[in-house]
Order: sequence, then structure tokens, then C-alpha cells
Amino acid sequence: NAGVMQNPRHLVRRRGQEARLRCSPVKGHSHVYWYRQLPEEGLKFMVYLQKENIIDESGMPKERFSAEFPKEGPSILRIQQVVRGDSAAYFCASSPGSPDTQYFGPGTRLTVL
Amino acid sequence: EDQVTQSPEALRLQEGESSSLNCSYTVSGLRGLFWYRQDPGKGPEFLFTLYSAGEEKEKERLKATLTKKESFLHITAPKPEDSATYLCAVQATGGATNKLIFGTGTLLAVQP
Repeated sequence: NAGVMQNPRHLVRRRGQEARLRCSPVKGHSHVYWYRQLPEEGLKFMVYLQKENIIDESGMPKERFSAEFPKEGPSILRIQQVVRGDSAAYFCASSPGSPDTQYFGPGTRLTVL
Repeated sequence: EDQVTQSPEALRLQEGESSSLNCSYTVSGLRGLFWYRQDPGKGPEFLFTLYSAGEEKEKERLKATLTKKESFLHITAPKPEDSATYLCAVQATGGATNKLIFGTGTLLAVQP
């Protein structure tokens, strides 16, 4: 069984560029979550989505960050005009329902130069 | 405010030396408490979910327990391959969110 897949695994961007992170949930899972892990800090919740709906975006910065989970295709976390402080590991998790155990992907390591 | 505190921050054990990791939590209402293992450069790997005080779960050398204020992860006769960061997270009741609130983890090193 394929687990949560994320790509790219590593992404390097210069300040001011856009970063797009993709997440394919476990087959059959309709709930997707995004978390961020800053160096020396714990995992922090960003956003919770179901197909075509944002359920909770309370952890998402108000500016530059957006997320979607379309009817077809992977979930996308988009960061516009990246800054050095956006450098972190971004993890996607999925669950079959609500509430349910969340299974994590391998993460995308974003480095902003 | 919902909060999770893990201790110790780091723990070094000799192979076979049993110990426990602590997770203290403050939450308005507990829906579930989760333990994950994270290896360097990888995503968290699910270990256990506990839902109510008094509940216990076991998997190989690991045993998780839950009280109304804290959870323990007991490691019996650890091996070097148990070396990892162990993360605790809580999920609160109320609202539509299923977000997990994580502690900062305990970095476990088991020496042969």
C-alpha cells in the first residue's frame, strides 16, 4: 500500500520566488493536513482540507500562503514570494475520516536562499 | 490554550536499559493522544493512539499509557534501532478541526 507521497522532497528557491508543494494522500483518504517543522521547533499545524473545501486554516499565515485539495489530483501548498523564514520541512498527513489517525508523508524540505 | 510538553528533551540509554518518556498535556477536552516516531530526514511514523485515562497499548518493546494529565511511553530493553525522536500529540474535542498539537519531542539515543 502506498503511503502519503510528497514531492518534491527537496526544493530550493530564491527570495521572492514561488514554492509549490504537492501531496498525494493514502488511497481512499479524503482528509489532508499540512504541518510545518521549523529548525529546533516542533510540528505546527497549518491547514486541514477535504476535497474542494478548506475546513480549518487557523495555522496558516494570512499572507503569501494558500492551500487547495481539488476534486482530482494532489493537494497543493503554495507559498508566494518566499522569504528566508519560510525555510522549513513541510509535512502532509492524511486520514480516512474524521476524527482518525493521521499518517504522514516524508516531507518537503524547503530552502530559501 | 492547548499545550503539550515532553520530557526529557534528550535521553541516552545503554542497550537493554529500560526507561520512560513523558508527555504532559493541557487541553480543553481530549479527543485522542498520539505517539509518533520520527527518524532524521523522515516524516513521523504512527505508533499509538490513546483515547481515555487508564488505556494502555503495546507494540514490541514499546508501551504507551494515559492518565488525565499525562502519557508515558515505556521502552523495555531498547535496541539501537529504537534510536529516534519520539513525538507526542493531542487532538482536542470541539469544532470541526482535527488538528494535532505536538510537543517538541524526546530525542532517544540507544548505545550498543
